[in-house]
Amino acid sequence: GESVGLHLPTLSVQEGDNSIINCAYSNSASDYFIWYKQESGKGPQFIIDIRSNMDKRQGQRVTVLLNKTVKHLSLQIAATQPGDSAVYFCAENRMNSGGSNYKLTFGKGTLLTVNP
Amino acid sequence: ETGVTQTPRHLVMGMTNKKSLKCEQHLGHNAMYWYKQSAKKPLELMFVYNFKEQTENNSVPSRFSPECPNSSHLFLHLHTLQPEDSALYLCASSHRLTEGYGYTFGSGTRLTVV
Repeated sequence: GESVGLHLPTLSVQEGDNSIINCAYSNSASDYFIWYKQESGKGPQFIIDIRSNMDKRQGQRVTVLLNKTVKHLSLQIAATQPGDSAVYFCAENRMNSGGSNYKLTFGKGTLLTVNP
Repeated sequence: ETGVTQTPRHLVMGMTNKKSLKCEQHLGHNAMYWYKQSAKKPLELMFVYNFKEQTENNSVPSRFSPECPNSSHLFLHLHTLQPEDSALYLCASSHRLTEGYGYTFGSGTRLTVV
């Protein structure tokens, strides 16, 4: 089947540590991946994206790694801060079977808790 | 602010009430979406609109009725809802359906059906 899933539902880290959130996908035809952050009381917010022709992309304190061989995606947050506490979703964007539209499919999310 | 505004932020309604959720985007996007977010479930796509035309209805019960008068506004009309419809309803927009870019989300409407 087609799915986007997360290995761990919760992750607790100490402030200042690096965080790694993982995601598995099953559709090898997916060509674009996005990480979203959702804080309490807010909608999902775009963090970083990566296309399938890349294996790594860096932003400010965040890095996304894509391993197409094992269909695995990860989000690395450097020097995690209390403000990083949120639910993180990976999402998979792929062309539909008709080749006309893209569709975004979300995983369940990982709750990241940063302890001071 | 993300550029996608949803109102109201919170809504409590009885099962016999009729209410509407509103979404407005100021991003110049042409595609708009309704998602339902329930506890411990992935985001569920409900409806997709592209240039005001509905392109996807994900088997949503008829007690949810969307309306898209133009590319900037999207409504979700609610009537005779059930308690299990209580959830966070999120609106999103994107530039075009034919482009592989991510969506911009609003903050959602927290709906409680009593």
